Amino acid sequence: AQSVTQLGSHVSVSEGALVLLRCNYSSSVPPYLFWYVQYPNQGLQLLLKYTTGATLVKGINGFEAEFKKSETSFHLTKPSAHMSDAAEYFCAVTLTGGGNKLTFGTGTQLKVEL
Amino acid sequence: AAGVIQSPRHLIKEKRETATLKCYPIPRHDTVYWYQQGPGQDPQFLISFYEKMQSDKGSIPDRFSAQQFSDYHSELNMSSLELGDSALYFCASSLFVGGHRGTEAFFGQGTRLTVV
Repeated sequence: AQSVTQLGSHVSVSEGALVLLRCNYSSSVPPYLFWYVQYPNQGLQLLLKYTTGATLVKGINGFEAEFKKSETSFHLTKPSAHMSDAAEYFCAVTLTGGGNKLTFGTGTQLKVEL
Repeated sequence: AAGVIQSPRHLIKEKRETATLKCYPIPRHDTVYWYQQGPGQDPQFLISFYEKMQSDKGSIPDRFSAQQFSDYHSELNMSSLELGDSALYFCASSLFVGGHRGTEAFFGQGTRLTVV
């Protein structure tokens, strides 16, 4: 079975500061990893994904994440936070060759302050 | 580009009533997934369909049923509604490509169900 753990249910940063949202995964087989963003009363929008190949993945809105197998991590970063980044962020995992059923972490609410 | 369409966007039902949620996947996508997101919770997988057959099942109550039709749209039927069924219900779709399912599921905007 696969799972993801997101450290920190709430993260607060200043506008222009580095954003770091942590995600660790557990999987018995090579995983596919995803970060989704959810704005209030909205659906889930894919930020980026890791499947195979390059371990540093670049996504939309200036976000990127690095797959580190040795640390079983897939942390999400953005060099400079913008007010519009305030949202809930979910890390998710699915198994390679599996049914694409996503298992989500519990989410991290990002707050961006002036 | 066409996205996943869910209807209705909002639904209010009384306890013990039934509800039907509809999902129209992205054109040519053959796989549909249903997720339930309770207030302040992460989305939980309910059920999925590939080519009109159930492909995987998660924590879906026996009071719920779902199916995928010949035009690939899907419906989630919920009976004997309980207060705890109040949640945001997401549908997602993906495409089976090259012998395995696509690596990305696209989500709809969700249906917010409120049971009173």
